[in-house]
Amino acid sequence: QKEVEQNSGPLSVPEGAIASLNCTYSDRVSQSFFWYRQYSGKSPELIMSIYSNGDKEDGRFTAQLNKASQYVSLLIRDSQPSDSATYLCAALSGGYNKLIFGAGTRLAVHP
Amino acid sequence: DTAVSQTPKYLVTQMGNDKSIKCEQNLGHDTMYWYKQDSKKFLKIMFSYNNKELIINETVPNRFSPKSPDKAHLNLHINSLELGDSAVYFCASSSKDRAEAFFGQGTRLTVV
Repeated sequence: QKEVEQNSGPLSVPEGAIASLNCTYSDRVSQSFFWYRQYSGKSPELIMSIYSNGDKEDGRFTAQLNKASQYVSLLIRDSQPSDSATYLCAALSGGYNKLIFGAGTRLAVHP
Repeated sequence: DTAVSQTPKYLVTQMGNDKSIKCEQNLGHDTMYWYKQDSKKFLKIMFSYNNKELIINETVPNRFSPKSPDKAHLNLHINSLELGDSAVYFCASSSKDRAEAFFGQGTRLTVV
């Protein structure tokens, strides 16, 4: 099993819907997780970090961490076409703030 | 005010050449990284420096040599470039206390 796994998508949702992006992880990573958004041709941009079990909300974004099931998810409420991008899940592995990334899920929000 | 800036943004070069990419951050971070993103968009760490000291060195060919003259700068020199080196190289930085990494705009390297 890879350390961080994501479904590559594309995930297509209509404008205004909730987009749900999922990520699973192995025992080889630590319990700190990050969601990055990457527009085509641009650099990854940090959206949220989550360290403890449960939900963390920031505006239209909610990150969820379930340590028992080893998954992390990102919910985007009221999806907009401008949310169309690749979403990268990342986890800390070992020491020294080493981030391991999943392959990314491409999200397409259509009007 | 660019937080993490790298140059050049695009680099097209022939096989066998040697090239360098430069990175600078003005966030006051202690740790800097080089990541490689291949054609399938998979982002993988290559190197990390903490306060000028190399702390992460993934399985990367010896042709790649990072250098950190001070904690705000991290350069990447690549010798004898190969076709397979074509990718986007991202510089990033993070603080000692928080793991969130902030990325530069990337350097798209094309080896022909």
